[in-house]
Formats: sequence, C-alpha cells, structure tokens
Amino acid sequence: NAGVTQTPKFQVLKTGQSMTLQCAQDMNHNSMYWYRQDPGMGLRLIYYSASEGTTDKGEVPNGYNVSRLNKREFSLRLESAAPSQTSVYFCASSLDRGRGYTFGSGTRLTVV
Amino acid sequence: QQPVQSPQAVILREGEDAVINCSSSKALYSVHWYRQKHGEAPVFLMILLKGGEQKGHEKISASFNEKKQQSSLYLTASQLSYSGTYFCGTDLGSARQLTFGSGTQLTVLP
Repeated sequence: NAGVTQTPKFQVLKTGQSMTLQCAQDMNHNSMYWYRQDPGMGLRLIYYSASEGTTDKGEVPNGYNVSRLNKREFSLRLESAAPSQTSVYFCASSLDRGRGYTFGSGTRLTVV
Repeated sequence: QQPVQSPQAVILREGEDAVINCSSSKALYSVHWYRQKHGEAPVFLMILLKGGEQKGHEKISASFNEKKQQSSLYLTASQLSYSGTYFCGTDLGSARQLTFGSGTQLTVLP
C-alpha cells in the first residue's frame, strides 16, 4: 500500500522557471491538500481540494495553482518560481474531515 | 488563526513524562496531533472531535477542553523513539482544512 506518493523528491529551479509537483494517493481519500514547511513556521496550507472537482485557496496561495485531476491526483504548479518559494512541500490526503491526514514524503524545492 | 503551542522545546530523560499544549482563539471543531522526525513527513497520532473524550494509544494520550479551546498531548514514560517535533492542527469547522501550530521539539535522552 503506497499511501501518498509525491514526485519529485528534490528539485532546483532558477528564478522564473516553472514546474509542477505531482501527488497521488491510493487510499480512496476524498480530500487532498498542499502544504509548505519552512523552518520555525510549521506547515502552511497552500491549496486544498475537499472533494473531486473542487479546489480552494489556503493561507498562502499566491504564486501557485492546483489541479485536482481525478480522485487520486492533485498537482501543484509554480508558474514563475521565486526564491521565496524555496521550501519543503508536502501533499496530504484524508478520507473526510473527521479523520487524520496521511502525508507524502515531501518535495524539497530550492529556487536560486 | 494559527494555534499557539507550548512549550517550543522540551528535553527529557527516558522514562520521564511531558505535556504539550495547544490553544486557539476561536471555537474548534477538532484538534489533530502529529509527530514529525527530522527529514521525514508528519505522522498522524490522534484526532479529538468536539464533544469527544480523551483519546490515546500506548503511552500517548490527549485531551480537548472545548470551553477553553485548548488541547493537551500527554507523553508518559517517554522512550527514545518519542523524539521529534509535535504539531497540533486545528479545524475551525467553517473551512474543511487544518491550521497547524509552529511545533514543539521534543528530545528524549538516554
């Protein structure tokens, strides 16, 4: 049982480049989330999808876009990367709001 | 709206107990607790729902005081494997997502 799979695990981008972070879950969960984690700041929500076909902004959505491709997949796109987007990105999923989140192993992104 | 965790860090000897607190300024629907080891993803420990009682498994338990909008995580007879950063996540009910505290770094020494 793979759980939540994120790709890539590491990425270095130049300022202005674009990229898409991929996330897929095989637990038939309804809700999916993208968080970023910076030192000393905990986890901050970028976007979430409460169910297939819906997406909503979180606390720090500027500079990002998302796509809920189907029930399994939720991608995060950086259109024009900036050094402030250097962070560790975690995808998570949950069956419903009364259940815990399962996190992927993370993507460590550096923008130079 | 970020919940406030305390303490920020704690150092224990094996076998000692610890309490980590999480408080919110707004009414809560639920509180989650997660543990994250260095370089790894957060791992779900437990959830406390509004109207629910104290939960736990093994030597880790938690409580939820709805009147004070506070939750506490109790680690008893700590083990080396308990080391890591503990995060609480709060669900306000109006939005279907969690807001996490800044974490409590727990170090258990032999």
